[in-house]
Amino acid sequence: GAVVSQHPSRVICKSGTSVKIECRSLDFQATTMFWYRQFPKQSLMLMATSNEGSKATYEQGVEKDKFLINHASLTLSTLTVTSAHPEDSSFYICSARDWASGGTDTQYFGPGTRLTVL
Amino acid sequence: AQSVTQPDIHITVSEGASLELRCNYSYGATPYLFWYVQSPGQGLQLLLKYFSGDTLVQGIKGFEAEFKRSQSSFNLRKPSVHWSDAAEYFCAVGGIGTASKLTFGTGTRLQVTL
Repeated sequence: GAVVSQHPSRVICKSGTSVKIECRSLDFQATTMFWYRQFPKQSLMLMATSNEGSKATYEQGVEKDKFLINHASLTLSTLTVTSAHPEDSSFYICSARDWASGGTDTQYFGPGTRLTVL
Repeated sequence: AQSVTQPDIHITVSEGASLELRCNYSYGATPYLFWYVQSPGQGLQLLLKYFSGDTLVQGIKGFEAEFKRSQSSFNLRKPSVHWSDAAEYFCAVGGIGTASKLTFGTGTRLQVTL
């Protein structure tokens, strides 16, 4: 099946530093990837849609200068949290869209990255 | 606007008992419907999906879901729950096309007692 990986799985950083999270589709090409944020015991909140070779599309209220997204290849998207602060601490999950034969459209999710900003 | 409602925040069932998790959606066109499961500290795993055709969809781990257009529902069922099924379950709705996005429900936490 479609597999999506994320790295790192857990990161702790000091306030003011930047953190990069990688999302990879391992066995399929993904022209579109998505970045979500999940607060404890809550649902997923879509932050942005990452399109290979073009600028990401951010959801309302998400600061594009703070959450930099790059989708340089068909299998890799990165999310960089710039100048991280404690309120950025969260669980970040990516997904990759797989267009299977027949035109069905399914998002497969990575295992998530737990970010803790001290 | 699209939305998903999962009315049950928390459900407890005994191992071996049957399970039904409710999901109602609102979508302006033909919906694509999904159920995902999330274990603590993990990402989401796709259980099953509905795009078209047979309204009863079979998924992994013995789960199934039935699409009822008249009720705008896509309830998840399992005839006999195992302790390993304890997790958070999310229903999601989306459309087709590169601009389509998934909208998730708030999730239902399943607890299984032995």
